[in-house]
Amino acid sequence: QVQLQESGPGLVKPSQTLSLTCTVSGASVSGTDYYSWIRQPPGKGLEWIGYIHHSGGTNYNPSLKRRVTISLDKSRKQFSLKLTSVTTEDTAVYYCATVSIAMTGISYFDYWGQGTLVTVSP
Amino acid sequence: DIQMTQSPSSLSASVGDRVTITCRASQTIGNSLNWYQQNPGRAPKLLVYGAITLKSGVPSRFSGSGSGTNFTLTISSLQPDDFAFYFCHQSFDSSWTFGQGTTVDIK
Repeated sequence: QVQLQESGPGLVKPSQTLSLTCTVSGASVSGTDYYSWIRQPPGKGLEWIGYIHHSGGTNYNPSLKRRVTISLDKSRKQFSLKLTSVTTEDTAVYYCATVSIAMTGISYFDYWGQGTLVTVSP
Repeated sequence: DIQMTQSPSSLSASVGDRVTITCRASQTIGNSLNWYQQNPGRAPKLLVYGAITLKSGVPSRFSGSGSGTNFTLTISSLQPDDFAFYFCHQSFDSSWTFGQGTTVDIK
């Protein structure tokens, strides 16, 4: 059974860096195609942040690209999110997820963490 | 970005009802459309990928259809566990986007 668990500070001050880690259990790092972060601001829809391939290649949402870094630590079976220069607009529930690619080439989120609320406030 | 318009935003239904949720893409996305279910406080779960393929273990009362720009998730006979939040997701281009979601609650 694949499980993902987000961890990190629940409160970040404006202009600082938001840092979260996702720990993966029950899955092989090389057997997972991509690792991804998604967020959902209160009362709003979901927003894809970006993903990292198990080889290290990344792809980010253009609207966040200047501020986002996703990294992967295979030995610890963890991947991380850093979002710099945060504002109150970055307050959201942050989810981590694994991404698989079907034989047809279609990508989908096959496992998700429960999410963690990060509040940006002075 | 490809915009995904999901409707309705909420619906009330009874156990046994047939429920249909739709997602419309702002441009053609082939069949690169996935559906998820989320219960309050729980991790989202994949239901359907590639528009029509049911994830292994998902009850057969769930089904997906459509291609191009119009997609549908159908629950043939609503069960108590199905009162939840549902959302679609397109992975056609390099910037993935989601529908706003549909809350299915008890009538």
